[in-house]
Amino acid sequence: EADIYQTPRYLVIGTGKKITLECSQTMGHDKMYWYQQDPGMELHLIHYSYGVNSTEKGDLSSESTVSRIRTEHFPLTLESARPSHTSQYLCASSESVQFAYEQYFGPGTRLTVT
Amino acid sequence: KNQVEQSPQSLIILEGKNCTLQCNYTVSPFSNLRWYKQDTGRGPVSLTIMTFSENTKSNGRYTATLDADTKQSSLHITASQLSDSASYICVVSDRGSTLGRLYFGRGTQLTVWP
Repeated sequence: EADIYQTPRYLVIGTGKKITLECSQTMGHDKMYWYQQDPGMELHLIHYSYGVNSTEKGDLSSESTVSRIRTEHFPLTLESARPSHTSQYLCASSESVQFAYEQYFGPGTRLTVT
Repeated sequence: KNQVEQSPQSLIILEGKNCTLQCNYTVSPFSNLRWYKQDTGRGPVSLTIMTFSENTKSNGRYTATLDADTKQSSLHITASQLSDSASYICVVSDRGSTLGRLYFGRGTQLTVWP
């Protein structure tokens, strides 16, 4: 099993609150990713990072922001949560983006905004 | 538009039976194709990764095939077990970007009954 962790696993929060979803990995991977997944739907890349101080937006527009101050840590922040942010958020990491690289996923955070 | 389509959307089989899941893709230029298993409430776990030159790959009771000419893949599960109940996701990577972008299917939800 991959050494990538996400907390909290479940979060129910009211509209307007600021939230931070934590993701950490102990594999020393440079590349990290955040995906959003709604029930029965495909994963959508919302943020990625090639390394410390590197962050990029993914395919799906998101109001969230990310930071990468340490290699092992890639938190995602929502400044003001809305019901439309209700979803599952999955963090992943990989050693490389070269040919047939393996991407390891965390267990996910199920976010519900009321 | 790069797409990954999976069928069937859901499948119910009895324990001990075999099944085959299908994946069609339009991703180009093609780099590799992966099958992931995602248990409910968990992150995806990689089963197989196949490159352009590979047309079959096995991982225990899981056997994936790839026809790069017709852009089709299948995942065959032999002698199913209750623990095989999960969503099986087909993921295709392109080689047209430095990220090696992954395109996700919506998954086939497999339920194995005793």
